Amino acid sequence: QKEVEQNSGPLSVPEGAIASLNCTYSDRGSQSFFWYRQYSGKSPELIMSIYSNGDKEDGRFTAQLNKASQYVSLLIRDSQPSDSATYLCAVNIDNAGGTSYGKLTFGQGTILTVHP
Amino acid sequence: KAGVTQTPRYLIKTRGQQVTLSCSPISGHRSVSWYQQTPGQGLQFLFEYFSETQRNKGNFPGRFSGRQFSNSRSEMNVSTLELGDSALYLCASSFGSGRMEDTQYFGPGTRLTVL
Repeated sequence: QKEVEQNSGPLSVPEGAIASLNCTYSDRGSQSFFWYRQYSGKSPELIMSIYSNGDKEDGRFTAQLNKASQYVSLLIRDSQPSDSATYLCAVNIDNAGGTSYGKLTFGQGTILTVHP
Repeated sequence: KAGVTQTPRYLIKTRGQQVTLSCSPISGHRSVSWYQQTPGQGLQFLFEYFSETQRNKGNFPGRFSGRQFSNSRSEMNVSTLELGDSALYLCASSFGSGRMEDTQYFGPGTRLTVL
C-alpha cells in the first residue's frame, strides 16, 4: 500500500462544475496535509493546507479532512479552464511517530482538465 | 517578498559527470528540502537541511549529497551521473520549526538531462 494515494485520473469536468479530488494516507498519526497545483512544466504551487478535521474554505477551494477515515479531499467550485493542472496531495508522515522534518510524502497526482 | 530561487534552470550532462544545483530560500526561512520529480516515480524526498545540518534523508544512494550554508542557501550534488538521474529537481523552503503549520514553498526547479 502506498503511503499517499490519490484517485486515479485524468478527471475531466465542464466549466462551472465542481471538481472533486480525493486522497488517502496510511499513517494515522499524520498531522499536516497540503494540496499543491502543478501546471505542466512548472513547479508545485501551494493551494491549501489543513490540519484539523472538517472543512476549510478559501475562495473557490474547499479542503476536507477526516482523520478517522484517513482521507483528505479538495473541492473546486465553479471550475475554470485555468484550473486545468495536476493536483498533488502531500502529507507530513513520520513512520517513527515523531516529527518528520522537511519531508512531505506526495501522492502520484490527479490530472484535472476543465473543458469549456 | 522574493520566492525560492534555483539555479541553473536547465542542465545537460553526460553519464559519469557530476553536477551541483543551488537553492536560495525565502528570506527568513531556515529549512531547505530537496525533491526529485520523474514521470515514473513522482515527487520523492531527497533530504532536508536546517541550520547547516541535515536533519532528514530519503532513500537515495550516496551519490546524492547536499549542504547548507550559514545564509540558509543550499546546494545539492549528484556524482557519477546515471541516465536515470534525469529529472526535475525541486527545492522547497520553510521556517523549519517542525510544527504542523510549517509550510513548504517550492522553487521553479532545475531540469537535469543526462545523456
